Amino acid sequence: DQQVKQNSPSLSVQEGRISILNCDYTNSMFDYFLWYKKYPAEGPTFLISISSIKDKNEDGRFTVFLNKSAKHLSLHIVPSQPGDSAVYFCAASEGGATNKLIFGTGTLLAVQP
Amino acid sequence: DAGVIQSPRHEVTEMGQEVTLRCKPISGHNSLFWYRQTMMRGLELLIYFNNNVPIDDSGMPEDRFSAKMPNASFSTLKIQPSEPRDSAVYFCASSPGSDRGPRRYFGPGTRLTVT
Repeated sequence: DQQVKQNSPSLSVQEGRISILNCDYTNSMFDYFLWYKKYPAEGPTFLISISSIKDKNEDGRFTVFLNKSAKHLSLHIVPSQPGDSAVYFCAASEGGATNKLIFGTGTLLAVQP
Repeated sequence: DAGVIQSPRHEVTEMGQEVTLRCKPISGHNSLFWYRQTMMRGLELLIYFNNNVPIDDSGMPEDRFSAKMPNASFSTLKIQPSEPRDSAVYFCASSPGSDRGPRRYFGPGTRLTVT
């Protein structure tokens, strides 16, 4: 059973517009969330994270929003650039001793010039 | 600084053969993780080590899979015998430790094709 779900396998956005990638989770014990970006033939690289004590974290063009009551988080990219075209993975951690990180299935973002 | 190093980058083998994937974590990181990426299940955690000791191998799909970490700078993931459904990209990742947060540093991956 997928504890972290990315229901949109792909998303296409025009350059300069906003990209919104969504992620839902089922485990209410998750307390830390991360987004990773992955280019073809490369490993995932860390993009941005948020702790469950916050509802928003911003880093340049990237903002992550967390809605704990809905068990939902989203990644906003504004403005979108062609170089943002990649697969984006959402991940969640329960923290504690195991520090296990559970990943979603990913969303392929294509930013059209 | 060198990142996580994985070898080989690509592996094509026939069903029934033994496959060994290799990983060198970032120096100083004391946690190491093996993940498998498939379209259906995304990035699945197979096993992770803390200070060279296997902590959780509940993600290892079958007894055909085994992993070792003989020292802090080297780990292997072995599949024997390999099957076509093992075809996937296998990633190794390391992190500084559980008390420094869950962020992982991934290697470039090994694309395994079993025919």
